[in-house]
Amino acid sequence: DTGVSQDPRHKITKRGQNVTFRCDPISEHNRLYWYRQTLGQGPEFLTYFQNEAQLEKSRLLSDRFSAERPKGSFSTLEIQRTEQGDSAMYLCASSLGTGNQETQYFGPGTRLLVL
Amino acid sequence: RKEVEQDPGPFNVPEGATVAFNCTYSNSASQSFFWYRQDCRKEPKLLMSVYSSGNEDGRFTAQLNRASQYISLLIRDSKLSDSATYLCVVGRGGSYIPTFGRGTSLIVHP
Repeated sequence: DTGVSQDPRHKITKRGQNVTFRCDPISEHNRLYWYRQTLGQGPEFLTYFQNEAQLEKSRLLSDRFSAERPKGSFSTLEIQRTEQGDSAMYLCASSLGTGNQETQYFGPGTRLLVL
Repeated sequence: RKEVEQDPGPFNVPEGATVAFNCTYSNSASQSFFWYRQDCRKEPKLLMSVYSSGNEDGRFTAQLNRASQYISLLIRDSKLSDSATYLCVVGRGGSYIPTFGRGTSLIVHP
């Protein structure tokens, strides 16, 4: 399967714990995006990488959130000191950046539940 | 006002019906427009891009109205398999960051 993959698919954690999610984009894609989606809402942009450079971060991304894409391939999203409000689906998407009219391909998401 | 607004529905239609969704956007500098489909508990997938001249893909037709700042999606001859949430996506000019609407839920019944 050469699509976008995410790991883990589900994560249950206790409030205050740290969690880390991984995203493997489609191999030739240079752009990688993280989104958060809650029930009944569309995906909300969190952050975006072009190759290894993190070019934009949403105001939604508090200091407890950090993302990396060290070699311009896979990416990790870490949430420190999780809160119940962090419970959501975390989606990763990648695209081949050739302009504005580009298709994003999404991974299956990591569903986080903070107890 | 939200940057991208959609009626969440649900739209309940019988098989074979024609159904249309609208999506309004607030930023007049928006440059790119898409419709994505999302099945329950699955990831979004691109349905179609929306071009200034409008475009059609089988039973699906997308239109852009820049003057009134909305895009539309028309589905003809609805199938049971069309049941899903349809997400409107708008890209800002000069930015690769798209904004998603909250989605419109479509339920096609026999």
